[in-house]
Amino acid sequence: EVQLVDSGGGLVQPGGSLRLSCAASGFTFSTYSMNWVRQAPGKGLEWVSYISSGSSSIYYADSVKGRFTISRDDAKSSLYLQMNSLRAEDTAVYYCARAPVKGYYFDYWGQGTLVTVSS
Amino acid sequence: SYELTQPPSVSVSPGQTASISCSGDKLGDKYACWYQQKAGQSPVLVIYQNNKRPSGIPERFSGSNSGNTATLTISGTQAMDEADYYCQAWDSTTASAVFGGGTQLTVL
Repeated sequence: EVQLVDSGGGLVQPGGSLRLSCAASGFTFSTYSMNWVRQAPGKGLEWVSYISSGSSSIYYADSVKGRFTISRDDAKSSLYLQMNSLRAEDTAVYYCARAPVKGYYFDYWGQGTLVTVSS
Repeated sequence: SYELTQPPSVSVSPGQTASISCSGDKLGDKYACWYQQKAGQSPVLVIYQNNKRPSGIPERFSGSNSGNTATLTISGTQAMDEADYYCQAWDSTTASAVFGGGTQLTVL
C-alpha cells in the first residue's frame, strides 16, 4: 500500500525557516517524481515544487522561487522542503504528492502538515 | 501565467448528473485531471489524462477535454460525492502544475 506521511510543520515567525519531510513507503520511491502542494486555510490548492526521479529536473512556483528548496533522499525514501524567509502568505497545509512515471499529475497524497507563519 | 477557471459552486439533486467545467486557453491540447477533496481530508485523484479513472474510483465519474474546456461528469450523483473538486493541468511553457480555483459540489 502506498503511504506518504508528511511532517515538520509548526508555528514560525515571519522571516524564519522550517524544513518539511515526507516519508514514503509501499512503492519504489527512487523511480517516481515527487511534488509539494499547499492549501491556505479556506482556499484552493496551489502547486509549490516538483523534483524528478534522480533529481535531474527541479521546478518551483514563482511564489516560492529563491526561498524554498526541494530535495530527496532515495536511500531513506524521503522528500524534503526547506522553507526560508517565510511570509504570512506561506501559511498553509503542505502536502507531498507522488507523480506517476509518465505524467504530471498527482496519484497519491500525504495527509498534510500545517505551517503557520505568524508573530 | 496559465490559468484554469472553474465555477465556484454547482448543485445537483441525488441521482441526477453533475457537470463541472474547467476552462483554459487551448486546454484541449494538454492533459487535464480532476481531484476530489472532502472536508478535512487530502485530495483524491478521480480522473487523469482527460478521461481515465484510477483503480477504485466509481464508474459514475467520467471526464472529457476538448477545445478550451475540460468537464468532469458525475452520473447518478450520490450524497457521498459532495466535496470540492479541482481540475489540474501541466503547463510545459513554465514547467509548472496549475490548479483551477475549485468547485464546491452540493448534493441536495
